[in-house]
Amino acid sequence: IAGITQAPTSQILAAGRRMTLRCTQDMRHNAMYWYRQDLGLGLRLIHYSNTAGTTGKGEVPDGYSVSRANTDDFPLTLASAVPSQTSVYFCASTRLAGESNEQFFGPGTRLTVL
Amino acid sequence: GQNIDQPTEMTATEGAIVQINCTYQTSGFNGLFWYQQHAGEAPTFLSYNVLDGLEEKGRFSSFLSRSKGYSYLLLKELQMKDSASYLCAVEDSGYALNFGKGTSLLVTP
Repeated sequence: IAGITQAPTSQILAAGRRMTLRCTQDMRHNAMYWYRQDLGLGLRLIHYSNTAGTTGKGEVPDGYSVSRANTDDFPLTLASAVPSQTSVYFCASTRLAGESNEQFFGPGTRLTVL
Repeated sequence: GQNIDQPTEMTATEGAIVQINCTYQTSGFNGLFWYQQHAGEAPTFLSYNVLDGLEEKGRFSSFLSRSKGYSYLLLKELQMKDSASYLCAVEDSGYALNFGKGTSLLVTP
């Protein structure tokens, strides 16, 4: 693994189903983030984690949960998917307190909820 | 709350210079980022400003005025590959990035 990866690349999901989007980074970054990107709305923060074992809510957390059991992995779970959760989901990471806190983004997961 | 504004679309000619403006009103400020995003791809980092002034990096420069809540991204010697969305983002005191809606730049021959 080099950098930050996400799986799956895309997914079509029936409403009401449970879904976990995976995110893994090998840069030993302490902070990780989940965003969703929708046309006309830009990138919006769903949840974040500044260090392993801690998580926080972003701008649009409802319907989503996260966990951060270790430094590398930050899965995002939709407990019961709804059509409004159709979006492109980006995971990002950064080394907080570095020179610029630049966030590195994964390639994204395109999720369609029918 | 967070309010970050940038133009929705801009068009410029290959070889020209274009300036993309961003104004912000945020609770807490740790720095301002510019990202580039090509269609169907992830955002990639372009620049970071935490102090007032101009940061230059090759064909791209970014300016910040914290007192005015204003930044711009300057792209020189435009190339066709510069056609992309440009995202302005403010880092708040909790280290979260708050993004504007992005400016879609089209470079024409």
